[in-house]
Amino acid sequence: NAGVTQTPKFQVLKTGQSMTLQCAQDMNHEYMSWYRQDPGMGLRLIHYSVGAGITDQGEVPNGYNVSRSTTEDFPLRLLSAAPSQTSVYFCASSTTGGSYEQYFGPGTRLTVT
Amino acid sequence: AQSVAQPEDQVNVAEGNPLTVKCTYSVSGNPYLFWYVQYPNRGLQFLLKYITGDNLVKGSYGFEAEFNKSQTSFHLKKPSALVSDSALYFCAVRDGLYGNNRLAFGKGNQVVVIP
Repeated sequence: NAGVTQTPKFQVLKTGQSMTLQCAQDMNHEYMSWYRQDPGMGLRLIHYSVGAGITDQGEVPNGYNVSRSTTEDFPLRLLSAAPSQTSVYFCASSTTGGSYEQYFGPGTRLTVT
Repeated sequence: AQSVAQPEDQVNVAEGNPLTVKCTYSVSGNPYLFWYVQYPNRGLQFLLKYITGDNLVKGSYGFEAEFNKSQTSFHLKKPSALVSDSALYFCAVRDGLYGNNRLAFGKGNQVVVIP
């Protein structure tokens, strides 16, 4: 199993540009989520999904969009990038019952200039 | 809403000494508690969890944590720290009152093990 994969690893955007961060998992997990990590602030939940076709907002959803058309994929879209979105983004997945721990991808480091 | 506090920014410990990383939580229902570790430029790795049962849980790499309901704490411990334990440690909680898997993370503790 590859686990949770994320692409790209690094990205530099100009203010106002849009892009999609990709996330995929091959563990048949129902639950997937996106976090951003900023120094001194821990991880903050952006959006999450409990299954294909179902998404919901987390703690810091503004400026981001998600969809979940398949169990495996959960892309995160930045609609119009702003410098405040400079961060490291992590995708995670887990089952919705049983062990509960989330499995994390390696992260995408995004810089918005 | 659930929340986690990790009161110390950095924990310094000499190699071979006991290591403790503190965590307190707040939830409405029963807590599901987790510890994760992050090495530089890597994703988070699961260390251990408390869902129910014995208050002392053992996890990967010799780490353990003690759940204390009256103090709403879940401190991470290791009897003898190694230099390779130097990393960023996150405590997280899920509120068992709700049916989703939403986790709230603390801000993290940088652990520095001094040779």
